[in-house]
Amino acid sequence: DVKVTQSSRYLVKRTGEKVFLECVQDMDHENMFWYRQDPGLGLRLIYFSYDVKMKEKGDIPEGYSVSREKKERFSLILESASTNQTSMYLCASRLTSGGSRAGELFFGEGSRLTVL
Amino acid sequence: DQQVKQNSPSLSVQEGRISILNCDYTNSMFDYFLWYKKYPAEGPTFLISISSIKDKNEDGRFTVFLNKSAKHLSLHIVPSQPGDSAVYFCAARLYGNKLVFGAGTILRVKS
Repeated sequence: DVKVTQSSRYLVKRTGEKVFLECVQDMDHENMFWYRQDPGLGLRLIYFSYDVKMKEKGDIPEGYSVSREKKERFSLILESASTNQTSMYLCASRLTSGGSRAGELFFGEGSRLTVL
Repeated sequence: DQQVKQNSPSLSVQEGRISILNCDYTNSMFDYFLWYKKYPAEGPTFLISISSIKDKNEDGRFTVFLNKSAKHLSLHIVPSQPGDSAVYFCAARLYGNKLVFGAGTILRVKS
């Protein structure tokens, strides 16, 4: 089974702090994603990565950056946390972008971030 | 601009009856549609998908119907079980890559 592990389930940070959210997958997947989930808005894509050192902006990249130095690891960085970044953050991975199962993402359990 | 809409925030169904979750979309370029299920404190898990060239796909108790002319899809769960109580997200794949999600529908199956 694919396992996507997010390093922190719950975090509480102060406004202005730098925040790192780490995600590791164990199935050699090429593609990795960061989403945030907010009530009434569903899952919104922040950033995604096709491969090591490659990244592309999603729908809401402002205030975030990412790093993918190794294939199995995809990090989300909040350079200066703000209260409107309080949310549930979900990491996901996918084997490849092609084929009928290309939409199947494997998600981690989520990291709930509260910014005070 | 929400390209994928789930207009019902919640749905309550009696155990054994049919649950029907609905989803509307606006972009004709979507090539696959998917449903994910999410339990509290867990990540979403893939449930079922359908290609835009088909109108029905069935997997056990779960069936997804696609009406392209109406830009509408629905997920039918028959019979509904208490363990089906979860948040259901509709998603659509764009250009073979990016997934666009709806806001989700909370399903409660009462025993």
